[in-house]
Amino acid sequence: AQSVTQLDSQVPVFEEAPVELRCNYSSSVSVYLFWYVQYPNQGLQLLLKYLSGSTLVKGINGFEAEFNKSQTSFHLRKPSVHISDTAEYFCAVSTYYNQGGKLIFGQGTELSVKP
Amino acid sequence: KAGVTQTPRYLIKTRGQQVTLSCSPISGHRSVSWYQQTPGQGLQFLFEYFSETQRNKGNFPGRFSGRQFSNSRSEMNVSTLELGDSALYLCASSLTFSAGGGEQFFGPGTRLTVL
Repeated sequence: AQSVTQLDSQVPVFEEAPVELRCNYSSSVSVYLFWYVQYPNQGLQLLLKYLSGSTLVKGINGFEAEFNKSQTSFHLRKPSVHISDTAEYFCAVSTYYNQGGKLIFGQGTELSVKP
Repeated sequence: KAGVTQTPRYLIKTRGQQVTLSCSPISGHRSVSWYQQTPGQGLQFLFEYFSETQRNKGNFPGRFSGRQFSNSRSEMNVSTLELGDSALYLCASSLTFSAGGGEQFFGPGTRLTVL
């Protein structure tokens, strides 16, 4: 079975500061990794995904994430955040062997960007 | 191209009633997944449909059911509603049913409140 742990439930940060949202996963098989963002009263939007290849993945809105297999981590980073980045962020996994789109999500990290 | 649409956006029901939620995937997408989002349990996978067949199922009681039509539209039904069924129900569509790396596009969700 797979599981995802997001290490911080809330991350407050000032505008233009860097931010890192942490995600660790557990799986006995190889995984695909995703970060989604959810703005208030909206569904989820894909920020980026790791399927294979380079461990540094770049996504939309200036976000990037690094896959670390030995640490089983997939932390999300942005060098300079904006007020508009305030949202909830979800890390998710699916597996090579899991046919279809079933995603297992972490509990979410609420990013609050203050002026 | 229109995104994933879900109707209704908000619902209020009482315990013991049943409810049907609808999801129209992006045009051309043939796979539809459903997720339940609650503050306590987070995002949990309900089921996935492809070609009118349920291909994956999460760990929910039999009161939760779904179906998919020939035009890929999907409905989910919850019978004998309980207070704990209050949640945001999210639908996601993807092009096809494939090994786990395919991108899923989420709708805005249906907010169900059970009184």
